[in-house]
Amino acid sequence: DVKVTQSSRYLVKRTGEKVFLECVQDMDHENMFWYRQDPGLGLRLIYFSYDVKMKEKGDIPEGYSVSREKKERFSLILESASTNQTSMYLCASSERDSYNEQFFGPGTRLTVL
Amino acid sequence: DAKTTQPPSMDCAEGRAANLPCNHSTISGNEYVYWYRQIHSQGPQYIIHGLKNNETNEMASLIITEDRKSSTLILPHATLRDTAVYYCIVRVNNPPPRFNTDKLIFGTGTRLQVFP
Repeated sequence: DVKVTQSSRYLVKRTGEKVFLECVQDMDHENMFWYRQDPGLGLRLIYFSYDVKMKEKGDIPEGYSVSREKKERFSLILESASTNQTSMYLCASSERDSYNEQFFGPGTRLTVL
Repeated sequence: DAKTTQPPSMDCAEGRAANLPCNHSTISGNEYVYWYRQIHSQGPQYIIHGLKNNETNEMASLIITEDRKSSTLILPHATLRDTAVYYCIVRVNNPPPRFNTDKLIFGTGTRLQVFP
């Protein structure tokens, strides 16, 4: 059974902390994505990666960075967390030239106090 | 990137067909229409996609108008487990060298409530 896993379902951090969100997929997919989801705004793409060590900015990259050192792992980093980064974070993966589907993880609900 | 417009919410009786509309009047000729859904507290799930022709799989049917400016997702026999937010998405085709990316733009979707 194919799977995308995220390191935490719930996370509470303080303003100014450095936060790491980890995502692992076991499908040997080339593409990986990080989204955030907020009420009334739908899903918004933060960053994506189409190969190891490659990354591309999505629609809202400000305040975030990413790391893809291994094919199966894609990390989202909040260098200095702020309250407006409180959100649901969703990771996804897909095959290189997939016209079909992205597989999503269960999400991490991050609260920044 | 083509944008989509969906009604914010819909109701459907269990066992009946649920017809979810989507407008995408600015869609380009090489852009696909995808449907995903998100059940509460879960990540989104792919349902179906199409380019020009109608499509059917074990989950749903997708009807795309001839001018491709709108589409309808049909759940033929809705169940309570189909209660979810349904997203209609148009796939952006990036030119090379980033042709192998797969960027999907999610809107706010339609909240479908299936009632007994």
